[in-house]
Amino acid sequence: EAGVAQSPRYKIIEKRQSVAFWCNPISGHATLYWYQQILGQGPKLLIQFQNNGVVDDSQLPKDRFSAERLKGVDSTLKIQPAKLEDSAVYLCASSLVSTSTVVEQYFGPGTRLTVT
Amino acid sequence: SQQGEEDPQALSIQEGENATMNCSYKTSINNLQWYRQNSGRGLVHLILIRSNEREKHSGRLRVTLDTSKKSSSLLITASRAADTASYFCATVLLGNTDKLIFGTGTRLQVFP
Repeated sequence: EAGVAQSPRYKIIEKRQSVAFWCNPISGHATLYWYQQILGQGPKLLIQFQNNGVVDDSQLPKDRFSAERLKGVDSTLKIQPAKLEDSAVYLCASSLVSTSTVVEQYFGPGTRLTVT
Repeated sequence: SQQGEEDPQALSIQEGENATMNCSYKTSINNLQWYRQNSGRGLVHLILIRSNEREKHSGRLRVTLDTSKKSSSLLITASRAADTASYFCATVLLGNTDKLIFGTGTRLQVFP
């Protein structure tokens, strides 16, 4: 079974530029998550989709970050304009929709963003 | 906001020794999970313990959970150089099923 795919793996941009990250979840996984992981910290959830609908975007800085999952499969996370503090690893994860009280998330390799 | 905090922040041991990492959290949980992260393989799920469980084992890993103290520990026995990584606890709050709140992590270095 193929895992969660992300691209690019690395990106360096200047502040005020825009950048986009792409994620392809595991086939059949209806739920998709984007996390931001700043160096030295644990991942922080930015946005959660179920199919193509947003479940939780309470921690997404909506003035500069946007995300979409138009067909309920692939997702794109965009930052426009980028700030120095956006330097981080952006992780995508996916999971099955389950009636269980326990849901396991599967993570992609991440995109390391450096804003100079 | 960070729900969990791990202790110690960094740990260095020799191969063959045991490594213990602790996680404390603030709010009642549905379950607690431990993840490993290294530069080669990203974030990998290690083990999950439900709030009504007190101990779980998986290979060389042993996790305990004390809900009265709101704390968990991860023990890696007979450590190997390949165990070198950052280890994170993540909690799923009571009433939730999948929203992970990660701790700050413990960086483990295992020397050959």
